[in-house]
Amino acid sequence: GAVVSQHPSWVICKSGTSVKIECRSLDFQATTMFWYRQFPKQSLMLMATSNEGSKATYEQGVEKDKFLINHASLTLSTLTVTSAHPEDSSFYICSASNREEAFFGQGTRLTVV
Amino acid sequence: QKEVEQDPGPLSVPEGAIVSLNCTYSNSAFQYFMWYRQYSRKGPELLMYTYSSGNKEDGRFTAQVDKSSKYISLFIRDSQPSDSATYLCAMSRGGADGLTFGKGTHLIIQP
Repeated sequence: GAVVSQHPSWVICKSGTSVKIECRSLDFQATTMFWYRQFPKQSLMLMATSNEGSKATYEQGVEKDKFLINHASLTLSTLTVTSAHPEDSSFYICSASNREEAFFGQGTRLTVV
Repeated sequence: QKEVEQDPGPLSVPEGAIVSLNCTYSNSAFQYFMWYRQYSRKGPELLMYTYSSGNKEDGRFTAQVDKSSKYISLFIRDSQPSDSATYLCAMSRGGADGLTFGKGTHLIIQP
């Protein structure tokens, strides 16, 4: 299957700082990229949907000013968690879609201390 | 009622058994149905992908979708210890819609 690379795989940051997570589709052009969050023993919850060159669409309850998404090209999307707090500690996963299937990155475990 | 319901388990079966995993959903607009496998601390890996109702077979895995009952299943034949993981069902209305996931079923295959 197609490869989606997500970086970093884990990060620890201090409360109040910002963290950037990158998601790259390595062997196909992703028309749409999605960002999900997964708390322990919970399901993946869609945070936002982004299309290249346009603003992201955020799900209800997700703060767009806190979770900044940039989809600069058909192969790269970034998620920046601004002013992170301990409650933002979670597993963040990106997904890239070629209209037929969705392929997932390996995820980023964020711990805010 | 949640959009997608999935028993979290754990489900423990002996090696070689047939495993049956399933999800129910409430949104009749869902058209695409997937099963993902997720190992601890890893991202989900796509196992099966089905459009609309019907069956699909791939090796030891069979996916079934019954849209009239809003019920989907994943069968694993000749289960192996390496199949031990969390299995997530997911579905979508299609187009640019994201996926709606079940909570995942933790499967344990005993050697």
